[in-house]
Amino acid sequence: QQQVKQSPQSLIVQKGGISIINCAYENTAFDYFPWYQQFPGKGPALLIAIRPDVSEKKEGRFTISFNKSAKQFSLHIMDSQPGDSATYFCAARGTNAGKSTFGDGTTLTVKP
Amino acid sequence: GAGVSQSPRYKVAKRGQDVALRCDPISGHVSLFWYQQALGQGPEFLTYFQNEAQLDKSGLPSDRFFAERPEGSVSTLKIQRTQQEDSAVYLCASARPPGEKLFFGSGTQLSVL
Repeated sequence: QQQVKQSPQSLIVQKGGISIINCAYENTAFDYFPWYQQFPGKGPALLIAIRPDVSEKKEGRFTISFNKSAKQFSLHIMDSQPGDSATYFCAARGTNAGKSTFGDGTTLTVKP
Repeated sequence: GAGVSQSPRYKVAKRGQDVALRCDPISGHVSLFWYQQALGQGPEFLTYFQNEAQLDKSGLPSDRFFAERPEGSVSTLKIQRTQQEDSAVYLCASARPPGEKLFFGSGTQLSVL
C-alpha cells in the first residue's frame, strides 16, 4: 500500500523555467509534509516543509502548495537552475508518529 | 560532529554473512531513524529510536534485521545471514525534538553477492 504517490518520475526543464512536482497522500492522520532534495551519493536533505493548516509556503525559489481537501501537495521551483538537478522526494509524517513515508522520487534535470 | 556520520560507506558481503552498519547522529539529537533505500526508490522506514528506546520497529523486513542504540547516541543496524534482496543503501537520520526535521547521513551502500 503506497501511502504517498509522487509524479512525474522524471522531469526536464530549461534553465529559468518552473519545475513542478506533485504528491498525493491517503492517510488523513499525516500532519507534516516535507520535501527533500537528494544528490547522487548523498542522503536526502530537507528543502522545505508545510503543515496542513496553511495552503502555501514559500522559501526563496521554492514554494509548496497544499490542498487539504484533495489530499495533494506540490513543489514549485521557480527560475530553475542547473544546480537544482537532483532527485526530489515528498514525504508525510503523522502526529506523534516517528516515521516519515516517502514518495518514490522525481529526477529533475535542468538544461542550461 | 557537524552532521550524521555513517560507516562503512560501502560494504560488500557474501550471501549468508552478517553485517553491522554504524550511525553517529548529530550530538544532542534525541531521535534516530533507519531507512532502506533501494535503487531508484524513496527511503523506506525501518526503525526509530528515541534516546535508547526503540519505539517503532515495524519496518524491519524480517527477524534477520536488528537495531540497537544502547546509550542513546550511536546506533548499529545488524543484518544476519544477508540475502541478495538486502542490497540497498541504508540511511540513518537524526532529529532533535519534536523530531520533524530529519538530518540524513550519506548512507551505507550494501551489496550482497
